[in-house]
Amino acid sequence: RKEVEQDPGPFNVPEGATVAFNCTYSNSASQSFFWYRQDCRKEPKLLMSVYSSGNEDGRFTAQLNRASQYISLLIRDSKLSDSATYLCVVNPPGGYNKLIFGAGTRLAVHP
Amino acid sequence: IAGITQAPTSQILAAGRRMTLRCTQDMRHNAMYWYRQDLGLGLRLIHYSNTAGTTGKGEVPDGYSVSRANTDDFPLTLASAVPSQTSVYFCASSDGADRKQFFGPGTRLTVL
Repeated sequence: RKEVEQDPGPFNVPEGATVAFNCTYSNSASQSFFWYRQDCRKEPKLLMSVYSSGNEDGRFTAQLNRASQYISLLIRDSKLSDSATYLCVVNPPGGYNKLIFGAGTRLAVHP
Repeated sequence: IAGITQAPTSQILAAGRRMTLRCTQDMRHNAMYWYRQDLGLGLRLIHYSNTAGTTGKGEVPDGYSVSRANTDDFPLTLASAVPSQTSVYFCASSDGADRKQFFGPGTRLTVL
């Protein structure tokens, strides 16, 4: 089993739609969680951290479910500019600064 | 410069040749990393350095070496390139406190 698993997609949604991605992780003692965004042929960029209580940043909401070992990302009112690959990222125990990246979920927002 | 720079942007290399990918950051971050990204596999850690003067092996270190002589620079060397090292290579850095990593623009390497 992969340490971090994501549905590769693609998710094809119209502008204005709400879309959600889930990600599961294998190590229950993982400590920090993030969502990164990656545009085609570009570097990953931090989108948001994921906190135990859930957190929101504008149209983006991230949630963590430790009992089920998954994190989620909800995007409301999708924009064309949201089209990208979203990477689920986990900091495993004992890894200090090491991060484990999921393979990504591709989102395509169309007019 | 601001952030992380990598050089070259892309390179085509003959198998067996030696190649060094350069990475420089100006954020004074203690920790630096090298990843490779292959289709469908996501980012995989090659080597890392928690602070200048120290390095460690990641998930896929074979065929690669690194050095960290100072805070800013973290070069990655392929001693004798093989076609399986064809990939996109990303350098990243973090200040350690909150685990967030910031990435350079990447080097696209093709080994023939």
